[in-house]
Amino acid sequence: SQTIHQWPATLVQPVGSPLSLECTVEGTSNPNLYWYRQAAGRGLQLLFYSVGIGQISSEVPQNLSASRPQDRQFILSSKKLLLSDSGFYLCAWNSSPGQGFDEQYFGPGTRLTVT
Amino acid sequence: SQELEQSPQSLIVQEGKNLTINCTSSKTLYGLYWYKQKYGEGLIFLMMLQKGGEEKSHEKITAKLDEKKQQSSLHITASQPSHAGIYLCGADRYGNKLVFGAGTILRVKS
Repeated sequence: SQTIHQWPATLVQPVGSPLSLECTVEGTSNPNLYWYRQAAGRGLQLLFYSVGIGQISSEVPQNLSASRPQDRQFILSSKKLLLSDSGFYLCAWNSSPGQGFDEQYFGPGTRLTVT
Repeated sequence: SQELEQSPQSLIVQEGKNLTINCTSSKTLYGLYWYKQKYGEGLIFLMMLQKGGEEKSHEKITAKLDEKKQQSSLHITASQPSHAGIYLCGADRYGNKLVFGAGTILRVKS
């Protein structure tokens, strides 16, 4: 069966420090991968998605970047964190596109607090 | 305003009571997803609706899609404490990307 992991679970970082959040998927190959951010009182906002190694699409301009160095690994990064980067970050995956509607499966999330 | 509006934003129900959560889209709905989230945790997939008039049930949760009204409803029968959480609707937009509503917080009183 497929599983999705996120690391770390929680993180407290000072403003201006770098960031690296990791997401890994097991039990599937060539998944679509997604990074979302959930801010208090708001729905999930799609940040990045990837359909393959090295293929990243950004949905909103921001202080963050994403990379996909391996098929089942998705990394969210920042060189200098802002207070507004605080939130709950969720990684998700689903099957490759073109197959109709495929539900996304979410990881446990990373709570980021920028101080 | 958000593309997907959920109502109510929150509700508290007595255990055993029924409840309904609505999700209204400002755009045509092609695929509608319902997820449940415990605070501070990831999302759990509940159901996906694709066709107008489609209705799906899982245990005591039923979801319907009214394509004409661009609306979906989630109905819980005989609520239990285990139903408590945040319910989010998501709509399939272009290329398998989802947009989500702000969520409905459900509390169930014993």
